Amino acid sequence: DADVTQTPRNRITKTGKRIMLECSQTKGHDRMYWYRQDPGLGLRLIYYSFDVKDINKGEISDGYSVSRQAQAKFSLSLESAIPNQTALYFCATSDPRGGVTDTQYFGPGTRLTVL
Amino acid sequence: AQSVAQPEDQVNVAEGNPLTVKCTYSVSGNPYLFWYVQYPNRGLQFLLKYITGDNLVKGSYGFEAEFNKSQTSFHLKKPSALVSDSALYFCAVRERNSGNTPLVFGKGTRLSVIA
Repeated sequence: DADVTQTPRNRITKTGKRIMLECSQTKGHDRMYWYRQDPGLGLRLIYYSFDVKDINKGEISDGYSVSRQAQAKFSLSLESAIPNQTALYFCATSDPRGGVTDTQYFGPGTRLTVL
Repeated sequence: AQSVAQPEDQVNVAEGNPLTVKCTYSVSGNPYLFWYVQYPNRGLQFLLKYITGDNLVKGSYGFEAEFNKSQTSFHLKKPSALVSDSALYFCAVRERNSGNTPLVFGKGTRLSVIA
């Protein structure tokens, strides 16, 4: 969905480096999410934010941090990257006006490789 | 706790034949259920969701899903498969009275439609 963009799309880095993945959206949604996708493990939630002042840990937050700079921007950081953080990372948004049935809209993903 | 299971990692079907991708869920109360599709090198796209009412839900691209409370299932179906339906399919669940907890995704099922 072009309304949710992620940068970079691909990144190769080395163990111990600090990495930031960025997500921007033009949908005007308050809710934003970061997931990682690994083969055979599906989609796992890292962090989520329901508004600019709200940050929540997901299922696998260890080794990650996030920053919600504005309604439209939600970045994910790996303070010291390690090889098992090699994965495909997705940002998603949703509209709270949809209530608990809100549909999530996903970005195109960032493929991160940690050597 | 909420959970969802997709018992098949891979489903193969011939073009023109009906397809079924299975999903079972576990929640304490009543569920909201979703199906998403991921095409190669793309983010997830929303297909359909069950909120309440009619157990048969129709979605995008000719897909439908049937909610079966007694079997705690929400299988995705299509009467006639197309090669272009080949993709990774994810089922997701949220319990109806769980407040703002995020969706829980299954591990995904890869559908391969053979010409």
